[in-house]
Amino acid sequence: AQSVTQPDIHITVSEGASLELRCNYSYGATPYLFWYVQSPGQGLQLLLKYFSGDTLVQGIKGFEAEFKRSQSSFNLRKPSVHWSDAAEYFCAVGERAGNNRKLIWGLGTSLAVNP
Amino acid sequence: DAGITQSPRHKVTETGTPVTLRCHQTENHRYMYWYRQDPGHGLRLIHYSYGVKDTDKGEVSDGYSVSRSKTEDFLLTLESATSSQTSVYFCAIGQGATDTQYFGPGTRLTVL
Repeated sequence: AQSVTQPDIHITVSEGASLELRCNYSYGATPYLFWYVQSPGQGLQLLLKYFSGDTLVQGIKGFEAEFKRSQSSFNLRKPSVHWSDAAEYFCAVGERAGNNRKLIWGLGTSLAVNP
Repeated sequence: DAGITQSPRHKVTETGTPVTLRCHQTENHRYMYWYRQDPGHGLRLIHYSYGVKDTDKGEVSDGYSVSRSKTEDFLLTLESATSSQTSVYFCAIGQGATDTQYFGPGTRLTVL
């Protein structure tokens, strides 16, 4: 069965430092991959997605992610973190079967930003 | 932002009462989803719909039912609410072509 693993439950970084959030997936075919962000008390917002083509994808808020098929990874990066980036981050992979379209979710990584 | 609304946004109810949550979209997307979010469990799919009157179960469907009589509305019903159903419920919509889902603001449900 397809699965998504986010190895880090909590990460704390200092404002201005670089960030990398890890995501590993298990999927037989070429995956559709996603990163979402959830600020406290809010719904989930799409940060970026990968379908095909360039393996480095750019998203909103200065985030990027790189798809590495050989490592089954889709890690999220940001060169300089802002205090407003403190949130929960979720990685997901698309699952298809007939008419069904679902996302398989990781459990999330909680990001804290120190001033 | 995708046009998705959820109602009510907050609800407190008692054990054993029926509860219906509504998700409404203005995007004409084919797919609609109901999730619950609980600490330590991430997002768990309850039910989803791939068209009017076409629904299927997710991983935590026990105690929940859904209906979709119109493209724009997807209802989640707790027939007899239990304390274990206290949670935050999110609706999402998707086109299906790219698997991308867009989320509503959530409903916080407390069952006493």
